[in-house]
Amino acid sequence: GDSVTQTEGLVTLTEGLPVMLNCTYQTIYSNPFLFWYVHYLNESPRLLLKSSTDNKRTEHQGFHATLHKSSSSFHLQKSSAQLSDSALYYCALSKGTNAYKVIFGKGTHLHVLP
Amino acid sequence: EAAVTQSPRNKVAVTGGKVTLSCNQTNNHNNMYWYRQDTGHGLRLIHYSYGAGSTEKGDIPDGYKASRPSQENFSLILELATPSQTSVYFCASGDSGQGNQDTQYFGPGTRLLVL
Repeated sequence: GDSVTQTEGLVTLTEGLPVMLNCTYQTIYSNPFLFWYVHYLNESPRLLLKSSTDNKRTEHQGFHATLHKSSSSFHLQKSSAQLSDSALYYCALSKGTNAYKVIFGKGTHLHVLP
Repeated sequence: EAAVTQSPRNKVAVTGGKVTLSCNQTNNHNNMYWYRQDTGHGLRLIHYSYGAGSTEKGDIPDGYKASRPSQENFSLILELATPSQTSVYFCASGDSGQGNQDTQYFGPGTRLLVL
């Protein structure tokens, strides 16, 4: 069945260093949508960015990700981490239009240190 | 103002008791979802609905029931609560129509402790 894998449960890094959170997926659908959600402490999870276009960079709030269908990956990156980026990040997958179900990865805690 | 609201925000229940978690959305979305969030497991889908009167089992439905009496409201029911159901529960709404790809809009969450 469909699945999303986030290999790191916790990523700790120093402010100013680059961020990369890994996400790979498995699906039978040829045109899936991939999402990154961010969950700040004491807030609701919310959409950070999404994409369904192969090899096209998607950016939002300083973060970016590129869907690579050849490697089934959708890694989240940022050039320079900020303390305020500390949060739980979820990668998620849907089959696309008329999807009734979204599959989430287990999440990666990003902890940015001063 | 918040488009997805949940009540209660915190709940302490006893083992074997009945618990009802309520969710209301003003997004006019067709789809609604109940997830639980646990460390090491992330967000796991319990039940979902694609319209009033419908409920579907998610990935971990055992021990839970759901009810969607209207477009706006979606409830999660624990008929016989157990300590293993202690968790944070999130409701979400989404629209799977053209161009929306079922982006999820989450409520603030309900912390449930079953003693």
